[in-house]
Amino acid sequence: DADVTQTPRNRITKTGKRIMLECSQTKGHDRMYWYRQDPGLGLRLIYYSFDVKDINKGEISDGYSVSRQAQAKFSLSLESAIPNQTALYFCATSDSDRVNQPQHFGDGTRLSIL
Amino acid sequence: AQKVTQAQTEISVVEKEDVTLDCVYETRDTTYYLFWYKQPPSGELVFLIRRNSFDEQNEISGRYSWNFQKSTSSFNFTITASQVVDSAVYFCALSDGGANSKLTFGKGITLSVRP
Repeated sequence: DADVTQTPRNRITKTGKRIMLECSQTKGHDRMYWYRQDPGLGLRLIYYSFDVKDINKGEISDGYSVSRQAQAKFSLSLESAIPNQTALYFCATSDSDRVNQPQHFGDGTRLSIL
Repeated sequence: AQKVTQAQTEISVVEKEDVTLDCVYETRDTTYYLFWYKQPPSGELVFLIRRNSFDEQNEISGRYSWNFQKSTSSFNFTITASQVVDSAVYFCALSDGGANSKLTFGKGITLSVRP
């Protein structure tokens, strides 16, 4: 089983719909992150969380919200999806006990908004 | 603000050629970390290497090698004797030395290795 699991892997939906992307991890890491990847733009940070009660905005948080339901779960929501939110979304985790260790990524969720 | 520039967007080589992927970074921090990730066609992100700002030793791992030069703010990645399986998008990333470990990614380089 993957250490960082993202669901769904693929999603096609319509403009205006509410979407939730889920991420769960078995690595025991306390830090979790959401990124989006667009062709030619690399990965950009949307939100990150260092603990269950800690939520921080990243570079491109507008139009998104997150919830850290437990140490192992971090979900990303699009309240009213729009076509320019079509992208590949990645969840990642890292361990605060070991500063600047590599982040571990899930396999991604490919989201298409029509 | 931190910035990572991968000026090469696409590189195409023939199998067995050597290829170097360039990465230039900007940061005001004295302590920072540099990373390379590989994204094969299947889409997942695979960690390749981490280097901290105090360790300028070059690193070699099999056919992969990394050249870190603080004087030019560069952290270049060389693949020797490239193989078709090396075809992927390669990302360079930068993290500051603080506790937040946020990554700033470059835009990525698409490497195609032709048989």
